[in-house]
Amino acid sequence: AQSVTQPDIHITVSEGASLELRCNYSYGATPYLFWYVQSPGQGLQLLLKYFSGDTLVQGIKGFEAEFKRSQSSFNLRKPSVHWSDAAEYFCAGQILTGGGNKLTFGTGTQLKVEL
Amino acid sequence: ETGVTQTPRHLVMGMTNKKSLKCEQHLGHNAMYWYKQSAKKPLELMFVYSLEERVENNSVPSRFSPECPNSSHLFLHLHTLQPEDSALYLCASSQGRRDEQFFGPGTRLTVL
Repeated sequence: AQSVTQPDIHITVSEGASLELRCNYSYGATPYLFWYVQSPGQGLQLLLKYFSGDTLVQGIKGFEAEFKRSQSSFNLRKPSVHWSDAAEYFCAGQILTGGGNKLTFGTGTQLKVEL
Repeated sequence: ETGVTQTPRHLVMGMTNKKSLKCEQHLGHNAMYWYKQSAKKPLELMFVYSLEERVENNSVPSRFSPECPNSSHLFLHLHTLQPEDSALYLCASSQGRRDEQFFGPGTRLTVL
């Protein structure tokens, strides 16, 4: 069965420090992969996506992610975290189904930023 | 209005009530989705509509009844819910099968 795992439930970093959020996937083939961010009381906003090609993907708000097939990973990174980055981050994998597509989400990583 | 909107943003209902959640997308997309987000659990896909036809129903109890009257609107009709149905219900839309999904802000539902 397809699955996406985010091993870290909570992460705390200092403002200005670098960040890496982990994501591992388990699919029969390479899925499309996404990172979303959710601020309190809000819906999910897409940070970046990987379909194919270059394994280093650039997203919004200074985030990037690297697809590593050998490790079945798609980790999210940011060189310098801002206090406004505090939120919950979700990794998701996609398979195609019927006329739409089906996203399988990880359980999320709650990011806290210390000033 | 832009993007994906959901109303109401908050809803409190008793177990015997009937209510509906509304989702509207202003993006010209042709697929719409309902998700349930409960505390400490991954987002769960409930229903997928493509071109107004339901193409997926992930074993959702019959007390949840979706309706998609056109490609811009999606409803989730609720009746005789249970307290464990309390959650954030998110609507999303996408254009085509490969495009990313855009999410609304969600409806926070509390069942007493």
